[in-house]
Amino acid sequence: QVQLVQSGAEVKKPGASVRVSCKTSGYTFTTFRIGWVRQAPGQGLEWMGWISAYDGKTDYAQRFQDRVTMTTDTSTTTAYMELRSLRSDDTAVYYCAMTTQGFFWGQGTLVTVSS
Amino acid sequence: QTVVTQEPSLSVSPGGTVTLTCGLSSGSVSPSHYPNWYQQTPGQAPRTLIYSITTRSSGVPDRFFGSVLGDKVALTITGAQADDEADYYCVLYMGSGIWVFGGGTKLTVL
Repeated sequence: QVQLVQSGAEVKKPGASVRVSCKTSGYTFTTFRIGWVRQAPGQGLEWMGWISAYDGKTDYAQRFQDRVTMTTDTSTTTAYMELRSLRSDDTAVYYCAMTTQGFFWGQGTLVTVSS
Repeated sequence: QTVVTQEPSLSVSPGGTVTLTCGLSSGSVSPSHYPNWYQQTPGQAPRTLIYSITTRSSGVPDRFFGSVLGDKVALTITGAQADDEADYYCVLYMGSGIWVFGGGTKLTVL
């Protein structure tokens, strides 16, 4: 069955970068895009962007355009999301999702940004 | 800036029926928006309930029903149960790789 397993929680200082990984299994990795969604504490879901696992083409939400990079490693069927210049309001749970049939979701990764 | 609209909160009695809606601040929701519905309980990842307006995700009971309601799409829950108490989100595809989530509906079963 489809599984997306994300890396563990991170604590970062303002101005730092974070990279979250999303290990996939149970399907042909290059067939579908991997999207990234975040959820600040007590808030709703926010789309960050996605990457084609076939050709690496990305589309980012405008508000993250300058700070986010999404990549994939087809040899390990893993997707990555790096967010730079972290601020306190980037504190959130970050989810990866395989974007077909609705989404298949990872379990989420809590990123805390605090001095 | 396109806004996806949802009722902030709704309540339903156990065994009752409730309809949640998902619309656009401007215009109608269409199949080309690939509307999806998710359920999220505290501390958990979202769970996909419905995709492409009406298709139930694997394992989702047929108490959950997706439909078109005027210029919106809707999620109807029949025979509400206590564990249906959750946040429900819809998402719409705007093209060019951009999805927009609604603000979510907090459903209370009481």
